[in-house]
Amino acid sequence: SQQGEEDPQALSIQEGENATMNCSYKTSINNLQWYRQNSGRGLVHLILIRSNEREKHSGRLRVTLDTSKKSSSLLITASRAADTASYFCATQGGSEKLVFGKGTKLTVNP
Amino acid sequence: EAGVAQSPRYKIIEKRQSVAFWCNPISGHATLYWYQQILGQGPKLLIQFQNNGVVDDSQLPKDRFSAERLKGVDSTLKIQPAKLEDSAVYLCASRILQGGSEQFFGPGTRLTVL
Repeated sequence: SQQGEEDPQALSIQEGENATMNCSYKTSINNLQWYRQNSGRGLVHLILIRSNEREKHSGRLRVTLDTSKKSSSLLITASRAADTASYFCATQGGSEKLVFGKGTKLTVNP
Repeated sequence: EAGVAQSPRYKIIEKRQSVAFWCNPISGHATLYWYQQILGQGPKLLIQFQNNGVVDDSQLPKDRFSAERLKGVDSTLKIQPAKLEDSAVYLCASRILQGGSEQFFGPGTRLTVL
């Protein structure tokens, strides 16, 4: 079963704009990870945020985590055409198992 | 550093046929995963190995799917016999045992069952 649910399912923006994707989950977690998938590079890890962290930055990425609401958001600032991909959140609980959501398909138009 | 290697990249078979996928993880990564990703969905874990032992195969359809990781390095995933609903991308991932939760994914094998 899939734990995370990304929202929106699809997002289309212009280059230079910011893109925000949300993820909601159901059970308690140790950490939440975001992955990107495109046809050129497969599935790639972007960022991990632990359950005791509220915000994390990596380059143009900003991730927030609200464990009380069981939700996370991924913000990509100053988007580029190369950011076009599907973005997945994945939660990790007590076991090492990663449970992925269905993903948000982001299109960045030049 | 070489990434996770998988072969073949594409496979088309008829239903009820057998198929096998191969994965070579990143050198030194003790943990290996096989995922099934159906079109429009996120990856779903099928089986997790640590070295050559199975850690989690709770979502592996054991009546038709099998996997092994001999010598704790390469792994093969087999489907016998295949059904139409097995059409998906099969992803292999590996992770270093100590020091991180990040999984490194291979390019996947796209299986089409006709």
